[in-house]
Amino acid sequence: DAGVIQSPRHEVTEMGQEVTLRCKPISGHNSLFWYRQTMMRGLELLIYFNNNVPIDDSGMPEDRFSAKMPNASFSTLKIQPSEPRDSAVYFCASSFSAAGTNNEQFFGPGTRLTVL
Amino acid sequence: GEDVEQSLFLSVREGDSSVINCTYTDSSSTYLYWYKQEPGAGLQLLTYIFSNMDMKQDQRLTVLLNKKDKHLSLRIADTQTGDSAIYFCAELRNPQTGANNLFFGTGTRLTVIP
Repeated sequence: DAGVIQSPRHEVTEMGQEVTLRCKPISGHNSLFWYRQTMMRGLELLIYFNNNVPIDDSGMPEDRFSAKMPNASFSTLKIQPSEPRDSAVYFCASSFSAAGTNNEQFFGPGTRLTVL
Repeated sequence: GEDVEQSLFLSVREGDSSVINCTYTDSSSTYLYWYKQEPGAGLQLLTYIFSNMDMKQDQRLTVLLNKKDKHLSLRIADTQTGDSAIYFCAELRNPQTGANNLFFGTGTRLTVIP
């Protein structure tokens, strides 16, 4: 398996533009997580899905952020409009969650977003 | 408190042992994890321990769990320069509710001095 795939790896955009980050989880995993990492705030959970259904989006900072998971193999995180303070590395992770499993999360390589 | 706590920085000399400490929050957490993040990469699971264990050893890594104090530690024996990275402690809380999100600490940046 190729692991969790994220695209793009780097994104540079101007303030006010729409940004869409993409994630393909590991095949067979039933949970997907979006994180943001910055020097100031560390690693923050934004939202997570179980079986394509959003379970907890309390970490989404504002209405400018939205996430979808239309099927088991694809998810997007959208920021519209983007602001400089959104600059961060965004990670997607997936796991297979079931009773008796260790719920290990597998992380993608991240998307480094810079908003000018 | 609500946060998983770790020291931010640790420096050790090559060949020495490193001990990274973590205080977690939920006494009912079933799994506790150590993740490693190398520069420019995502987090990778290093090791984990189930809550009914006190210790787990895997080659150079030793995990100690003190449930009474909610304290988790990671010891790296014979630390190498390749061990320089950020190490995150994480816990799986409230598994009986079905929630499977992990709660991560702030990360400890380990620097190995040659």
